[in-house]
Amino acid sequence: GEDVEQSLFLSVREGDSSVINCTYTDSSSTYLYWYKQEPGAGLQLLTYIFSNMDMKQDQRLTVLLNKKDKHLSLRIADTQTGDSAIYFCAESHNYGQNFVFGPGTRLSVLP
Amino acid sequence: GAGVSQSPSNKVTEKGKDVELRCDPISGHTALYWYRQSLGQGLEFLIYFQGNSAPDKSGLPSDRFSAERTGGSVSTLTIQRTQQEDSAVYLCASSILAGGYNEQFFGPGTRLTVL
Repeated sequence: GEDVEQSLFLSVREGDSSVINCTYTDSSSTYLYWYKQEPGAGLQLLTYIFSNMDMKQDQRLTVLLNKKDKHLSLRIADTQTGDSAIYFCAESHNYGQNFVFGPGTRLSVLP
Repeated sequence: GAGVSQSPSNKVTEKGKDVELRCDPISGHTALYWYRQSLGQGLEFLIYFQGNSAPDKSGLPSDRFSAERTGGSVSTLTIQRTQQEDSAVYLCASSILAGGYNEQFFGPGTRLTVL
């Protein structure tokens, strides 16, 4: 079946860049998403990329998609303590009906 | 409020009891999802409602789990004869499903603890 994998933990120093990686198995994925979950809260959409794109930039966030390798990454520039959260990679197709989330990467930002 | 709301925020119950979790989606959103998030785990899809179509129940882990969506709006997830392994955060999300892009808006979740 469909599967989305992520490393579970990442620690970075404040001001450095963070790179969170994700791999997926469904080659028919249409959209790939990054969600952020802060402690005690639900998930919030950070950004998404359509499968025919290979890069999307939004302020401090850069999403890179390697469709051949089914690899997605999220780069956060100038990481701040407020970026500490769990980041979920997700993929969907068929107009979003089948949504598969990864296990989430817990990002810790050290002062 | 304009967001997805869920109640209760926390629920502690004894093994064997039934529980009901409620989700109020964003007004006008036709799609509604339930997920389960266990400690250290990703989101496990449970059930999906879209308009008047039959729900996709393929993620429900056992027949003790059921969900309804009344009037295309509020949804209730019911767990019968709760077990300790049901302890988790239950998240609800809703979306408009505009074209192929689907932004899901999540509620804050209900933390269920089964003693």
